[in-house]
Amino acid sequence: DAGITQSPRHKVTETGTPVTLRCHQTENHRYMYWYRQDPGHGLRLIHYSYGVKDTDKGEVSDGYSVSRSKTEDFLLTLESATSSQTSVYFCAISDPTSGTYQETQYFGPGTRLLVL
Amino acid sequence: QQQVKQSPQSLIVQKGGISIINCAYENTAFDYFPWYQQFPGKGPALLIAIRPDVSEKKEGRFTISFNKSAKQFSLHIMDSQPGDSATYFCAASTGSNYQLIWGAGTKLIIKP
Repeated sequence: DAGITQSPRHKVTETGTPVTLRCHQTENHRYMYWYRQDPGHGLRLIHYSYGVKDTDKGEVSDGYSVSRSKTEDFLLTLESATSSQTSVYFCAISDPTSGTYQETQYFGPGTRLLVL
Repeated sequence: QQQVKQSPQSLIVQKGGISIINCAYENTAFDYFPWYQQFPGKGPALLIAIRPDVSEKKEGRFTISFNKSAKQFSLHIMDSQPGDSATYFCAASTGSNYQLIWGAGTKLIIKP
């Protein structure tokens, strides 16, 4: 998984509870992404980062916030979890200066989140 | 215009057969077209990718066919094996912000 870890790997929480998911990379890649994956919807971008403290919204950002204080860590926070946020969350990284295809994204193993 | 439409949603192929998954796009600014493979419980992984300056790219049993005029690209898996059973995603990018626009995915099952 290209030096990407996600924690926790599984989490069960209750509606209204704040939740933070962590993505950690050892590749020193500039770009980091948070996706959610739901049946029938494929991968949907929540937020992404193009550098330390530089983040932007994706197509499904409502109810989520992110922070990136170090190159290697990208945090996703659900301020007040809802049942509609039950999903599998993937972190991905990319670096425009590396490889044949600069747009290539490398994915972590995912976090399965259940909001009751 | 930003969408990538992928079909079929699911596909069953006999072992040794050819699996074909199709994607269509509208945005003519797209210049990078990857295919990703995802096994259950794992993150997607890059399988093969193409740029629009070529019409075909082959890596082992996997081939991307690209039709720029029709704005379509497809993944062909030759001599399909049970180990190829996975979900496949196509995607596209303009390269300007390093974001990928994803198809909805195809669940491929190879029957022994």
